Amino acid sequence: ETGVTQTPRHLVMGMTNKKSLKCEQHLGHNAMYWYKQSAKKPLELMFVYSLEERVENNSVPSRFSPECPNSSHLFLHLHTLQPEDSALYLCASSQEGGYYGYTFGSGTRLTVV
Amino acid sequence: AQKITQTQPGMFVQEKEAVTLDCTYDTSDPSYGLFWYKQPSSGEMIFLIYQGSYDQQNATEGRYSLNFQKARKSANLVISASQLGDSAMYFCAMRVLDSNYQLIWGAGTKLIIKP
Repeated sequence: ETGVTQTPRHLVMGMTNKKSLKCEQHLGHNAMYWYKQSAKKPLELMFVYSLEERVENNSVPSRFSPECPNSSHLFLHLHTLQPEDSALYLCASSQEGGYYGYTFGSGTRLTVV
Repeated sequence: AQKITQTQPGMFVQEKEAVTLDCTYDTSDPSYGLFWYKQPSSGEMIFLIYQGSYDQQNATEGRYSLNFQKARKSANLVISASQLGDSAMYFCAMRVLDSNYQLIWGAGTKLIIKP
């Protein structure tokens, strides 16, 4: 398998549930990212991991908790979400710094009910 | 301030025609990279083309070319011989050297190709 793979593709969860989004990259990249894409809003960078260390956290609520166990895997743990958290969550990877761009996964479309 | 502006929220183009999607950028950093991504309704963000600020020639990738006008700070995407499968959202993005991993994104242009 190649590229960046995200699972699940779709997720519906209640506000009291706990779930996790998974991202896996097979490109040998050393930086991974979580982005949120809400309707009619620009992409929002949530978290950046470089060499498995978190280097950026753009004021994301604590109900979103990232985990990067190694350079190929990235998780986003979700708990007690709000309906406004419903969005497309995109994972991406790059060589360090992403100066020549990112490779994105297909995204997880999350609906919070 | 660093910014990407895409002034066309939506465009309709006849199949097989060429289409130009506008992108202007603002940065005082002399070293930057410009990107175009395509996002079909399936959601995946697909990399199309890259232009570095020091590149002397305009980037081309198959039917995609980037019309880079540095003095005007514009980086328009040109799609030649459009196809129905080109219908998607298109995003322009910029990376500057000191932006700490972040890409700066435009609001996107929704392109619809008519048969």
